[in-house]
Amino acid sequence: AQSVTQPDIHITVSEGASLELRCNYSYGATPYLFWYVQSPGQGLQLLLKYFSGDTLVQGIKGFEAEFKRSQSSFNLRKPSVHWSDAAEYFCAVVSFSGGYNKLIFGAGTRLAVHP
Amino acid sequence: DAGVIQSPRHEVTEMGQEVTLRCKPISGHDYLFWYRQTMMRGLELLIYFNNNVPIDDSGMPEDRFSAKMPNASFSTLKIQPSEPRDSAVYFCASRRLNTEAFFGQGTRLTVV
Repeated sequence: AQSVTQPDIHITVSEGASLELRCNYSYGATPYLFWYVQSPGQGLQLLLKYFSGDTLVQGIKGFEAEFKRSQSSFNLRKPSVHWSDAAEYFCAVVSFSGGYNKLIFGAGTRLAVHP
Repeated sequence: DAGVIQSPRHEVTEMGQEVTLRCKPISGHDYLFWYRQTMMRGLELLIYFNNNVPIDDSGMPEDRFSAKMPNASFSTLKIQPSEPRDSAVYFCASRRLNTEAFFGQGTRLTVV
C-alpha cells in the first residue's frame, strides 16, 4: 500500500537558520507530491507541489522541495527560517488506486522556531 | 470562489447525540475528501467521493459514521450516536483531477 513517512515529529531551529524537513514515500510509479502547512487552529495550506518536470520546485513563503526518485524522497527546505514559519508541516502523495486519486498524508512535522 | 466551506466551525454535543458536519466544496471540483485530525492519530482519511459517488470508505472508523454527497455542491458527515472518542477536528477538502486539494477551516467537534 502507498504510504508517506515523515521521520521527524518535532524539529526546533533558530530564527535565521536553514531548515530541511524530510519526507519519504512508498509508491511504484512517479507520484504527485505535495507539502502543506497548518498553523494552529487553521486548515491546511498548500506550500508547493510536484507533478512532473523539474525536480526542484519552488513554493510560497520561500520554501522549496526536491524530488529524488532514487531515494523516494521529497524533502522541504528553506534557507532562512522566520519565526512565523512555526507550524505543522505535512507531506502528501496522490495515490492512484483503481483509476482514482487518493490523497494520503504523512504524520506531520511540528516546527518550533527559537528567537 | 470562497473556497471549501465547512459548518459548523465548532460543535459541542453530549454523548449519544447525533452530529452532522457539512461541507460545500469548490465549484467544479470532482473529488471530495473527509479527514479527521487528532493528536494521537494525525490526519486520517475517512472517506472520499468522486463525482458524488463514494469511492473508498475504508477509513470510516465504525458504522456510527456515515457520509453522503447528494449533489456536487454539498456533503455531510454524520456520527450517530456520538462518543467522547470522536472528539477531533474534521476537515473537508476538494480537488479536481490531478491538482492539489483545497481544505476547509475544519469543524472542531467535542463530545462530552
